[in-house]
Amino acid sequence: GAVVSQHPSWVICKSGTSVKIECRSLDFQATTMFWYRQFPKQSLMLMATSNEGSKATYEQGVEKDKFLINHASLTLSTLTVTSAHPEDSSFYICSARDGGTVGETQYFGPGTRLLVL
Amino acid sequence: KQEVTQIPAALSVPEGENLVLNCSFTDSAIYNLQWFRQDPGKGLTSLLLIQSSQREQTSGRLNASLDKSSGRSTLYIAASQPGDSATYLCAVPTQGGSEKLVFGKGTKLTVNP
Repeated sequence: GAVVSQHPSWVICKSGTSVKIECRSLDFQATTMFWYRQFPKQSLMLMATSNEGSKATYEQGVEKDKFLINHASLTLSTLTVTSAHPEDSSFYICSARDGGTVGETQYFGPGTRLLVL
Repeated sequence: KQEVTQIPAALSVPEGENLVLNCSFTDSAIYNLQWFRQDPGKGLTSLLLIQSSQREQTSGRLNASLDKSSGRSTLYIAASQPGDSATYLCAVPTQGGSEKLVFGKGTKLTVNP
């Protein structure tokens, strides 16, 4: 099946620094990718939809200036957590759909665990 | 607003037992429903995708059913194995044919040898 990778798999940073997380579709092209956040013992919450060649669309309550998303190519989307704070510590997961048909399976990356000290 | 509930939150069974995980959703106008597996600290693995026109899907020892009208889905696992231990999540589109997914909190399954 289709593979989505994320890098890094985990990162520890100091409060106030920025962290970039990459999401790549390895064997397919993804015009749309999704970024989710998962807090401990909670479910995944959609943060934003990343669209290749255009601006991302953010869910209500998600600060677009804090979580910068860039979808520069059909196989790469990046999420940058700017001026990270301890409350941003979470598990970030991206997903992508293989193909042009709405309703097909989304493939998820392995996630990136962020710890802000 | 679409909401997804999964019951039970946790389940512990002996190896070999058949089991059922439940998922309910508030807005029945869904395009499809997916079941995922998540191992601790890992991403999601798609298990089954049921289109709105289907009533069930099978993959190996897994069988998922969908009853749109009642807003329910079940995941049946036959002859459970310790390797099945994981958290199982169900997800539906936020609305209609949207690709944005709403997830339940999951059922944490432990299969004891």
